[in-house]
Amino acid sequence: ETGVTQTPRHLVMGMTNKKSLKCEQHLGHNAMYWYKQSAKKPLELMFVYSLEERVENNSVPSRFSPECPNSSHLFLHLHTLQPEDSALYLCASSQGGGAYSPLHFGNGTRLTVT
Amino acid sequence: DQQVKQNSPSLSVQEGRISILNCDYTNSMFDYFLWYKKYPAEGPTFLISISSIKDKNEDGRFTVFLNKSAKHLSLHIVPSQPGDSAVYFCAASHFSNTGNQFYFGTGTSLTVIP
Repeated sequence: ETGVTQTPRHLVMGMTNKKSLKCEQHLGHNAMYWYKQSAKKPLELMFVYSLEERVENNSVPSRFSPECPNSSHLFLHLHTLQPEDSALYLCASSQGGGAYSPLHFGNGTRLTVT
Repeated sequence: DQQVKQNSPSLSVQEGRISILNCDYTNSMFDYFLWYKKYPAEGPTFLISISSIKDKNEDGRFTVFLNKSAKHLSLHIVPSQPGDSAVYFCAASHFSNTGNQFYFGTGTSLTVIP
């Protein structure tokens, strides 16, 4: 399998649930990202991992918790979410380290919080 | 404060004609610029990029132009085809000590009319 794979594609969860989003990249990249896409808004960067270390956390609420066990896998753990967290969550990877390397995205997880 | 702006939410073009999508940015530190294409229910797909040392980059039917003094870039698609109908995102990047930072516009929805 090639590229960036995200599972699940769709997720509906209640506000008291705990769930996890999974991302896997097969591109040999060393940086991985979580983005949130809400309607009529630009893609919002949530987290960046470079060489498996978190380097960016744009004041994301603690109900979102990322995990990067190795350079190919990235998780986003979700708990006690709010309805306004309903959005498309996109994982991406790139070859970091200052190179001019584009982001490669997965197909996203459409999250609905009820 | 939005650092990358796409002021046209939508654009309609006749098949065979040229499509011109525009993007403006505010941060003079940006040195790498990208265009992404997004179909419904899929993640953004990298289309073409340009570094700040160039003012034009061409790939088949797609050409990106960069005007650094005006902080403006554009994507030209010629000839336009119905399969080009999608949402196009402009992105800009600069390298920092915390890794590559990517900033996105809100997208322009292109419709190519057969």
